[in-house]
Amino acid sequence: AQSVSQHNHHVILSEAASLELGCNYSYGGTVNLFWYVQYPGQHLQLLLKYFSGDPLVKGIKGFEAEFIKSKFSFNLRKPSVQWSDTAEYFCAVNPGGGADGLTFGKGTHLIIQP
Amino acid sequence: DAGITQSPRHKVTETGTPVTLRCHQTENHRYMYWYRQDPGHGLRLIHYSYGVKDTDKGEVSDGYSVSRSKTEDFLLTLESATSSQTSVYFCAISTGETQYFGPGTRLLVL
Repeated sequence: AQSVSQHNHHVILSEAASLELGCNYSYGGTVNLFWYVQYPGQHLQLLLKYFSGDPLVKGIKGFEAEFIKSKFSFNLRKPSVQWSDTAEYFCAVNPGGGADGLTFGKGTHLIIQP
Repeated sequence: DAGITQSPRHKVTETGTPVTLRCHQTENHRYMYWYRQDPGHGLRLIHYSYGVKDTDKGEVSDGYSVSRSKTEDFLLTLESATSSQTSVYFCAISTGETQYFGPGTRLLVL
């Protein structure tokens, strides 16, 4: 069965620091990849997605992610974080691009200190 | 928010009682999903539906059943709630390749 690993469960950064959250998946075929964000007390919101084409994808709020097929990775980045980025971040995979449901990582809790 | 509502938003119930959670969508999407979110586990798929009366099991389906008699409604039932089913339940729809999530139902089983 496919799995998704998020290496950092808790990350604490100061405002203006750069961010990189790791995500690796185990699936050898075509995948659709997603990053979702969950602000405190809210539901999941889509940050960005990768289906095909340019492996560097840009999302909302200045986030971007790079798909590296050889490393089975889809890391999330932001050059300069803000206090409002405090949230939980989830990487998710849709193997084969079908509609059978997403497999999620366990999440990374990001805290930005002012 | 993809026109998804969930009801109730909060529920407290006792072990052994049946519970039904409702997911309603307004945009006629074919695919609907139920996930549960637990600390340290992320979200895990319970059941999903690919059309009226067409459903399938996900990773953590034991103890749950679903029904979809109309395109817009997807019901999740806990036949006899247990404390291990205390969780936050999210419904989602798919627009084809991307899933969008509802606001969630927080369920506490005492």
